[in-house]
Amino acid sequence: AQTVTQSQPEMSVQEAETVTLSCTYDTSESDYYLFWYKQPPSRQMILVIRQEAYKQQNATENRFSVNFQKAAKSFSLKISDSQLGDAAMYFCALSVSSGSARQLTFGSGTQLTVLP
Amino acid sequence: DTAVSQTPKYLVTQMGNDKSIKCEQNLGHDTMYWYKQDSKKFLKIMFSYNNKELIINETVPNRFSPKSPDKAHLNLHINSLELGDSAVYFCASSLTGWNYGYTFGSGTRLTVV
Repeated sequence: AQTVTQSQPEMSVQEAETVTLSCTYDTSESDYYLFWYKQPPSRQMILVIRQEAYKQQNATENRFSVNFQKAAKSFSLKISDSQLGDAAMYFCALSVSSGSARQLTFGSGTQLTVLP
Repeated sequence: DTAVSQTPKYLVTQMGNDKSIKCEQNLGHDTMYWYKQDSKKFLKIMFSYNNKELIINETVPNRFSPKSPDKAHLNLHINSLELGDSAVYFCASSLTGWNYGYTFGSGTRLTVV
């Protein structure tokens, strides 16, 4: 079984500052992918960034980057130059193969507030 | 050109009723999912279909029955609705071998009164 743990239910950051959201996971699979999804008040689930477990290089998407520590099973999200539009619930997710599908297991989420 | 569309977006109904939520994707994906998001925002998978075949069936009351008429559609029918069924239900889709996560619909907020 796969588990994803987000230990920070809420975080806040000042506009233009940097914030890091934590995530740890557990799986016995060697082939897996990690994701961060954003859910703004509109409730749409938006993919922010993804990381392949076999890649050592940390993924980066504009102001969003991850710190992937495979041995520690840690996958944190760093948001630089925070903007008001970054305010949302952020979910860490783990994808492993389940037969012919990849099942996505989510953490409990971190509610991010951006202060003007 | 909505990629994954769910209808309705909101559904308010009385206990004991039967209701359906429809989902359609136009991405050419071969796998579709239903997730339930509870009041604490926790997302849990319910079902998954690959090319119309049920492949993931988590511990869900048998009042919930998914139906996939073709690989672009996955509907969720709920019988004898209970107060505890109130939640947001998300449909999602993905492509086998394409490891870019899921594409989600905008969710259906179900309220049972």
